[in-house]
Amino acid sequence: GENVEQHPSTLSVQEGDSAVIKCTYSDSASNYFPWYKQELGKRPQLIIDIRSNVGEKKDQRIAVTLNKTAKHFSLHITETQPEDSAVYFCAARGFSNDYKLSFGAGTTVTVRA
Amino acid sequence: DAGVTQSPTHLIKTRGQQVTLRCSPKSGHDTVSWYQQALGQGPQFIFQYYEEEERQRGNFPDRFSGHQFPNYSSELNVNALLLGDSALYLCASRQTGSLGYTFGSGTRLTVV
Repeated sequence: GENVEQHPSTLSVQEGDSAVIKCTYSDSASNYFPWYKQELGKRPQLIIDIRSNVGEKKDQRIAVTLNKTAKHFSLHITETQPEDSAVYFCAARGFSNDYKLSFGAGTTVTVRA
Repeated sequence: DAGVTQSPTHLIKTRGQQVTLRCSPKSGHDTVSWYQQALGQGPQFIFQYYEEEERQRGNFPDRFSGHQFPNYSSELNVNALLLGDSALYLCASRQTGSLGYTFGSGTRLTVV
C-alpha cells in the first residue's frame, strides 16, 4: 500500500520567514495530495490540495508543489504568522479505486514572534 | 452548515468493553471514512462506507466494525477494547465524485 514520509517532524521559524515541509510517497499511481492543518484539540482542516496533473498550486501565502517523477510534494508557507503554528499533515490518495488517504506523521510548526 | 459532527467528544472505557462512536457527515456528503489517530501520529485509515456498505478497509482487526445508515450517518464499533485502542477517532466525509474530505473534531477514546 501507499507509504507517505514527512520531514521535518518539527520546524521552528521566525515570524515573517518561510516554512517548507516535504513529503514523499511510494505509489506512483497516487493522484491526489492534500495538506491538513491541525491545531491542538481541533479537527484536521484542509488548507490546500493538488492533483497529479498539476505541478504547482498557490492560495495566498500557501503553495504546494508536486514532482511526480521523484514522487515528492512540498508545502510552502510564506510570511509566517503566529496563527500558522500547528501540526501539518500531508496525505496521498492512490489510484481511482483506492479511496483512503495515507497520511504522513506530521510536522509541528512553531512560529516565533 | 454544521460540518461533520461526532459524538461523544470524550469517552473512557475499561479493557474488554465495547464502544460505539457516532458520526453525522456534512450536508450533501454521502461517503464516510473513519480514521484512528494515535498521539503524535498521523491518522490511520480504518474503513470507508458508501451506500451503507463497507467499501474499503485498512489494516485493522475484525474487532473494528462499522455501519452506515440511510441518512448517511455512521457508527464505529470496537469490541474487546485494548489499551492500545486509546486514540482520537476521526470521521471524515465527502461527496461522491469529489476528492476533498472534511473531518470532524473526533472522539477521544481512553481505555484503562
